[in-house]
Amino acid sequence: GAGVSQSPRYKVAKRGQDVALRCDPISGHVSLFWYQQALGQGPEFLTYFQNEAQLDKSGLPSDRFFAERPEGSVSTLKIQRTQQEDSAVYLCASSSRQGANTGELFFGEGSRLTVL
Amino acid sequence: AQSVTQLDSHVSVSEGTPVLLRCNYSSSYSPSLFWYVQHPNKGLQLLLKYTSAATLVKGINGFEAEFKKSETSFHLTKPSAHMSDAAEYFCVVSRRSVSGKLIFGQGTTLQVKP
Repeated sequence: GAGVSQSPRYKVAKRGQDVALRCDPISGHVSLFWYQQALGQGPEFLTYFQNEAQLDKSGLPSDRFFAERPEGSVSTLKIQRTQQEDSAVYLCASSSRQGANTGELFFGEGSRLTVL
Repeated sequence: AQSVTQLDSHVSVSEGTPVLLRCNYSSSYSPSLFWYVQHPNKGLQLLLKYTSAATLVKGINGFEAEFKKSETSFHLTKPSAHMSDAAEYFCVVSRRSVSGKLIFGQGTTLQVKP
């Protein structure tokens, strides 16, 4: 498709399990972002890639969270040893421009993670 | 530091009546401001953005917003609500520079009654 694709759409994990969330951005988009959206809240920034370079990871809540974009296209957000507070919708967005405010961000539908 | 406050968590209007969603921002820098909309089970979509040009910004689906620096506000309006406007709306601020970080408000749920 032409939009940002995220998988899985829904993931249930037992506390302590590792999870991996995938994002396929729009082809050719240089910027890729991950956001975390808790229930009833606005999205919160996690990390930003420009091509394969991770330029900002200041929003990652702990060292259990890791993101990569090795070839400058598909990105994976990995959460190790999941905890209940990790339950949220994880949103991926991409843009054809550098940064978040020079062009429009296109968001995927998100991956909803529930940690039991 | 930057932050954004959406003054109403829930707004209910009747179809055909005006919509006003209120947003105040705080920024140490010249901000870029945005409104995004989130329909159920859909990705966030950009409605409009202000970056430094005209203070009255027109967006998609008849929405517009006015940047008022003196009031640090960026309220979203629409003259006549449509049933399809029912959704969650987010006011967003960012530094006006190459940056990866958008700061979202808590969101306002717009309900449109027939």
